Amino acid sequence: DSGVTQTPKHLITATGQRVTLRCSPRSGDLSVYWYQQSLDQGLQFLIQYYNGEERAKGNILERFSAQQFPDLHSELNLSSLELGDSALYFCASSVGGEDSPLHFGNGTRLTVT
Amino acid sequence: EDQVTQSPEALRLQEGESSSLNCSYTVSGLRGLFWYRQDPGKGPEFLFTLYSAGEEKEKERLKATLTKKESFLHITAPKPEDSATYLCAVFPDSSYKLIFGSGTRLLVRP
Repeated sequence: DSGVTQTPKHLITATGQRVTLRCSPRSGDLSVYWYQQSLDQGLQFLIQYYNGEERAKGNILERFSAQQFPDLHSELNLSSLELGDSALYFCASSVGGEDSPLHFGNGTRLTVT
Repeated sequence: EDQVTQSPEALRLQEGESSSLNCSYTVSGLRGLFWYRQDPGKGPEFLFTLYSAGEEKEKERLKATLTKKESFLHITAPKPEDSATYLCAVFPDSSYKLIFGSGTRLLVRP
């Protein structure tokens, strides 16, 4: 168990809808990362927060947004969903230094129908 | 552009047959190189961090090594429970992003 908690585990929704994925980092970790994993793309970096502030952004779509709250949990919001957004979404946390390892949750599997 | 390439894409071994997985990287500067194991439907599980050329880390049947351009994950006398996808990732100097390779799917047959 990595100590990173993601909810829900599974989410099935229709095109055009909006969903929110939640992540609780390991105790003491200040950084939260979001990754998307689809069969043909591997793990793609979306966004990173450090202690509530956005620190780095990857190829995150404008329809996607995220935030990290004062208690350090994070939410990833996906809107105007398309079939191609179906994927596993992983949250990871670390103590914060760029050379510190990321610890991943078990992901949220999103299916858009 | 920072890039990570893993080979082979897939590897089948008999139990006890040792082998190596390769991770080659192109980055402007390396803060750290990470190895992860991922089981189907699960999140990646952290294995090792390597920071400088010449460094080696070991854990049970796994040993990771690092040169200036690549890393190897050596698997000695593997068991069926070592079957998983092994992911390599790098933290470049120029970025806060951990960049992953596409992984090597390892299957160890009894």
